[in-house]
Amino acid sequence: DAMVIQNPRYQVTQFGKPVTLSCSQTLNHNVMYWYQQKSSQAPKLLFHYYDKDFNNEADTPDNFQSRRPNTSFCFLDIRSPGLGDAAMYLCATSRVAGVGQPQHFGDGTRLSIL
Amino acid sequence: KNQVEQSPQSLIILEGKNCTLQCNYTVSPFSNLRWYKQDTGRGPVSLTIMTFSENTKSNGRYTATLDADTKQSSLHITASQLSDSASYICVVSAGGNNRLAFGKGNQVVVIP
Repeated sequence: DAMVIQNPRYQVTQFGKPVTLSCSQTLNHNVMYWYQQKSSQAPKLLFHYYDKDFNNEADTPDNFQSRRPNTSFCFLDIRSPGLGDAAMYLCATSRVAGVGQPQHFGDGTRLSIL
Repeated sequence: KNQVEQSPQSLIILEGKNCTLQCNYTVSPFSNLRWYKQDTGRGPVSLTIMTFSENTKSNGRYTATLDADTKQSSLHITASQLSDSASYICVVSAGGNNRLAFGKGNQVVVIP
């Protein structure tokens, strides 16, 4: 059974049109992460939530925002997508943000920009 | 800057054969090392996780080794199957905050 669920699996949007990607988890984990993965590259951490505490990576563009209304759900908002934002977006969770805690990944949302 | 380098970038192997993937890292301080399997169009799935004191860990036909002194790890796939075709990503955890350093992955293609 899927434990980290991302919707939609594929998303197409227009250049500059806001888009929201969603992630839900059934693990009741405290930490949720958003990664951007471009073709043949390693996933790049954008930000993460530890409970309600938001932690932004220093090099994450302002164009990317996130919301976590409750433990189970986390959203990635891209305010004005550019062509360079086309990528796979992965959501992950971990029970706590500590040493040895495995991250459980969703299957990702592949975002295309027209 | 923490770095994780994987080699070979890609390889093709015949079904039933073995292969070994390499991961070198410069992450410090080291906490643990994970190997993930990522099928095309799917999220990464954890295969193994090893801490500083562990030298080897197996998960079915997958065996990971770790040499913390030389900062090297390998993932050995035994008797490969077509379903082993995937990207294998080495991920090293640094410090105590679960910050992860990802390699770019080894792309494995198993052919009949």
